[in-house]
Amino acid sequence: KAGVTQTPRYLIKTRGQQVTLSCSPISGHRSVSWYQQTPGQGLQFLFEYFSETQRNKGNFPGRFSGRQFSNSRSEMNVSTLELGDSALYLCASSLDRGGRYGYTFGSGTRLTVV
Amino acid sequence: SQQGEEDPQALSIQEGENATMNCSYKTSINNLQWYRQNSGRGLVHLILIRSNEREKHSGRLRVTLDTSKKSSSLLITASRAADTASYFCATDKKGGSEKLVFGKGTKLTVNP
Repeated sequence: KAGVTQTPRYLIKTRGQQVTLSCSPISGHRSVSWYQQTPGQGLQFLFEYFSETQRNKGNFPGRFSGRQFSNSRSEMNVSTLELGDSALYLCASSLDRGGRYGYTFGSGTRLTVV
Repeated sequence: SQQGEEDPQALSIQEGENATMNCSYKTSINNLQWYRQNSGRGLVHLILIRSNEREKHSGRLRVTLDTSKKSSSLLITASRAADTASYFCATDKKGGSEKLVFGKGTKLTVNP
């Protein structure tokens, strides 16, 4: 069965621009969570979507947003990019909410802001 | 703040040796999970241990959980060069918001 697919794999953007990242979860998984990974802060929870509703949100500014579609695919958007937004963005899908029984991660999108 | 903290931050061993990584956490949990990440890639789920379990095995992996000390350990036996990766523990906080909180990881290098 297909894994979690994240697109694009790499992105280079300029400060002030906005970016949209996409995640297709494993078929049948209704929960999609997003994490930001940086060398300094490690893995930080961004938000979780379940059945098209945001169920949980991390401590990130409002420039970070997301949504989930009826087919469980999810997108996250970052507006007014800052240099500090450079990171690996990871999407994780799970059958239930919160990854309680384990997440399946995508390979990530490497975002570089210049 | 991070729920889990791994120790050591980095570990370098020879092939065939055992590798032990530790994780400490701060609050009561429902379960604790271990993940592996190869350089710059996504995380791979290795094993989940519930709060009422003390030990769990999966192939060359052995995980222990001591809820009284709020700590867990991951043992990889007979390590291989392919085990070179970062290893993270993640906790599901009991009564908390439903999300996994990850530690900063242990970077394991297995030298051939």
